[in-house]
Amino acid sequence: EAGVAQSPRYKIIEKRQSVAFWCNPISGHATLYWYQQILGQGPKLLIQFQNNGVVDDSQLPKDRFSAERLKGVDSTLKIQPAKLEDSAVYLCASSRGGGGSLLDTQYFGPGTRLTVL
Amino acid sequence: AQTVTQSQPEMSVQEAETVTLSCTYDTSENNYYLFWYKQPPSRQMILVIRQEAYKQQNATENRFSVNFQKAAKSFSLKISDSQLGDTAMYFCAFIKNTGGFKTIFGAGTRLFVKA
Repeated sequence: EAGVAQSPRYKIIEKRQSVAFWCNPISGHATLYWYQQILGQGPKLLIQFQNNGVVDDSQLPKDRFSAERLKGVDSTLKIQPAKLEDSAVYLCASSRGGGGSLLDTQYFGPGTRLTVL
Repeated sequence: AQTVTQSQPEMSVQEAETVTLSCTYDTSENNYYLFWYKQPPSRQMILVIRQEAYKQQNATENRFSVNFQKAAKSFSLKISDSQLGDTAMYFCAFIKNTGGFKTIFGAGTRLFVKA
C-alpha cells in the first residue's frame, strides 16, 4: 500500500510569512497526526484527528497554527505568521485507530523541513 | 502528565556487537503501551517494537528486544548483532490506553554503528 505522502519536502520562508503543509494519509486510516520535530528533540504532537474531528490539539499554538482535515482524508497544517522558532520538521502520520494496539500502528510520512529566516 | 526520558543522547557500537538503549518514563496510568521508533538519516520514522504494559513477557522482534521493568518504569531496547543499517535516531514513546491517546516521545538517542 502507498505510504503517507507529504508536500512540500522543504520550505524556506522569512519570519512573518505564511506557509502551508499538506498530508495525504494511508487509505482507510481514520486517524491523522501532525507532529513538530525541532532539531535534537523528539516529535511533539500538535494535533490529532479522528476522521475529520479533532481528538487532541492541546499543544497546537492556536494563535498562529491551524489545521484542517476536510472529508476525513487529506489534511493541511498552516502557520500564519511564522516565527524563527517554528523552524522544524513537520511530520504527518496516520493509523487505523488512535490507540496503542498493533492495529493502531502509526505510519509516518517523510516530513516537511521548514526553515524560517 | 506523562514524560519519557532518554538519558543517552548518542551511542556507538561496533558492527556485530550488542548495544542497549535506555528509556525511563513517568506515569500514574496502569494500562499503556510503549514503543521504540527508528528514524534513519533522511528517512521516515518506523516502528521497531512495541510492548503492552499488561504483558510481563518482554517483546522481541528479530534482533531487537526490550527489557520492560514496569515497577521501575524502565523500557530499554537491546539490539543484537548490530548492522550498519541500524545507524539512526531511536525514540522511545508512550501511549496511555485510556482516553486521549496522545503519543509522548523521548528526545531520542543517536546510534552509530561502526564498521
